Amino acid sequence: EAGVAQSPRYKIIEKRQSVAFWCNPISGHATLYWYQQILGQGPKLLIQFQNNGVVDDSQLPKDRFSAERLKGVDSTLKIQPAKLEDSAVYLCASSLNRGTQETQYFGPGTRLLVL
Amino acid sequence: AQTVTQSQPEMSVQEAETVTLSCTYDTSESDYYLFWYKQPPSRQMILVIRQEAYKQQNATENRFSVNFQKAAKSFSLKISDSQLGDAAMYFCAYRSAFRYRQGGSEKLVFGKGTKLTVNP
Repeated sequence: EAGVAQSPRYKIIEKRQSVAFWCNPISGHATLYWYQQILGQGPKLLIQFQNNGVVDDSQLPKDRFSAERLKGVDSTLKIQPAKLEDSAVYLCASSLNRGTQETQYFGPGTRLLVL
Repeated sequence: AQTVTQSQPEMSVQEAETVTLSCTYDTSESDYYLFWYKQPPSRQMILVIRQEAYKQQNATENRFSVNFQKAAKSFSLKISDSQLGDAAMYFCAYRSAFRYRQGGSEKLVFGKGTKLTVNP
């Protein structure tokens, strides 16, 4: 079974530029998560989708971050404009469905460096 | 809000020996789940072990076991017969069952991690 796919793996941009990350969850997984992992810290949830609806985006900086999952499969996370403090690894995870018993499976992440 | 604390930024162990990673958490809830995730260098995070708070029995998965002390809000991971492939960052994480039942998300709240080195 293929895992969670993310691209690109690495991205370097200058501040105030825009950037987009793509995630393809495990086939059939209805729930998708985006986490931000700043160096030296644990991942922090940015947004959770159930199919193409948003469950939780309370920690998403909506003035600069946006995310969508239009057909309930792939998802895109965008930052516009980027700030230095956005340098982090962006992790996508998916689970078969909602529920506290469900295991979240993580992708390899996209490492973003903002100069 | 719940918090997770891992007080050991780095740990090391000799191959074939046993090591214990510490984790404490703060919550006012009684129904939750605790996890240990492993993140090898430049590779994805994978689930090592899970513990349901309502279960008194400590979870085990092969060489990995936990010591869950609910009253003390402590959740340590023991790795027996350490192998070179165990070298990684280990993250302790909390998930609220209460929040989910209230319509909230199943988000994981992570600690800052412990870097484990295994020496040959």
